[in-house]
Amino acid sequence: DAGVIQSPRHEVTEMGQEVTLRCKPISGHNSLFWYRQTMMRGLELLIYFNNNVPIDDSGMPEDRFSAKMPNASFSTLKIQPSEPRDSAVYFCASSRQWEQYFGPGTRLTVT
Amino acid sequence: GNSVTQMEGPVTLSEEAFLTINCTYTATGYPSLFWYVQYPGEGLQLLLKATKADDKGSNKGFEATYRKETTSFHLEKGSVQVSDSAVYFCALISTNTGNQFYFGTGTSLTVIP
Repeated sequence: DAGVIQSPRHEVTEMGQEVTLRCKPISGHNSLFWYRQTMMRGLELLIYFNNNVPIDDSGMPEDRFSAKMPNASFSTLKIQPSEPRDSAVYFCASSRQWEQYFGPGTRLTVT
Repeated sequence: GNSVTQMEGPVTLSEEAFLTINCTYTATGYPSLFWYVQYPGEGLQLLLKATKADDKGSNKGFEATYRKETTSFHLEKGSVQVSDSAVYFCALISTNTGNQFYFGTGTSLTVIP
């Protein structure tokens, strides 16, 4: 299996622009997680899905952030409009039983 | 509630030194415990796990024992190598948390030759 796939790996954008991060979970995994990692705040859970349904989005910072999972093999995290404080590494992870597998992350820089 | 507390870093050791990274937890239900490792520029990788009290997880020379009486899951390695330099995260999932993981803040380890 190719593991969790994220794209793009790096994204540089200007403040105010829309950013879309993409994730393909491991086939057969029924849970998907979006995390954000910064030096200041460490690893934060933003939202997670079970069987394509959002279960807990309490970690989503504000209305500028939204996430979707239209099917079992694809999810997006969108930031609109982006701000410099959104600069971070965003990880997607998937799980089936009780082990999470992380993607390589998307490093987002908002200037 | 559920939470994980790790020792503060960073930790710097000489090659072949003994490593201990402390982790304690609070949990409702019956937790499973994990250690993840993050190498520079990469995502987190599962290092080892233990699913019930007194279980010992082990991998790549690392070990951790699930101690229910002290609510701990300390990570140990007898002889660290430069290649072990990374950030280590303790985590738990419990029977009443659905599939949500609770991660510690991470402990950065640097091993010098």
